[in-house]
Amino acid sequence: DAKTTQPPSMDCAEGRAANLPCNHSTISGNEYVYWYRQIHSQGPQYIIHGLKNNETNEMASLIITEDRKSSTLILPHATLRDTAVYYCIVSPQGAQKLVFGQGTRLTINP
Amino acid sequence: NAGVMQNPRHLVRRRGQEARLRCSPMKGHSHVYWYRQLPEEGLKFMVYLQKENIIDESGMPKERFSAEFPKEGPSILRIQQVVRGDSAAYFCASSSGQLKGYGYTFGSGTRLTVV
Repeated sequence: DAKTTQPPSMDCAEGRAANLPCNHSTISGNEYVYWYRQIHSQGPQYIIHGLKNNETNEMASLIITEDRKSSTLILPHATLRDTAVYYCIVSPQGAQKLVFGQGTRLTINP
Repeated sequence: NAGVMQNPRHLVRRRGQEARLRCSPMKGHSHVYWYRQLPEEGLKFMVYLQKENIIDESGMPKERFSAEFPKEGPSILRIQQVVRGDSAAYFCASSSGQLKGYGYTFGSGTRLTVV
């Protein structure tokens, strides 16, 4: 079973920042937070991951609370192509399978 | 640097036939994972293989489903005597064996339709 809770859907205007929350109150000390997304009919795509520090890459930023019980994925300037289902996953580094929940269906509106 | 290659992209089978789904991992990856996504649902883990070995098949249905990853060639997910409930998207992912950095790389999937 997934260890995360995400809102089922969100909307965001094109060009604005999209902030996707994720609760993982039972996260263990050795578990990372991973974000993947699945654009319609495609395979999931890795976005970013982190342990306790905030992380940023060319796609997004990941903000993890100090107690690590929740995190937020930020897409700084959302485009229509960012419309997808976004999955927040917690997993130990070295774990050999990912457990996907239902994710958040993000719709970017023009 | 080709990614994970899955074929066919679309597969139609009649009830009772066999379905074979192929997955070629990324170059340098020796770990393969199969996931199934039923319509309007999330991805569910099926099986994890390394070359010539099944490491974790806890998500595989007990009957009709099998997987292999031979020393040479792609990984094969085989479904015997397909039923309509097998209609789904089947995704393969590969990794170098350590879930860090990029973690998994997924293929584009095979959409199986059973008629």
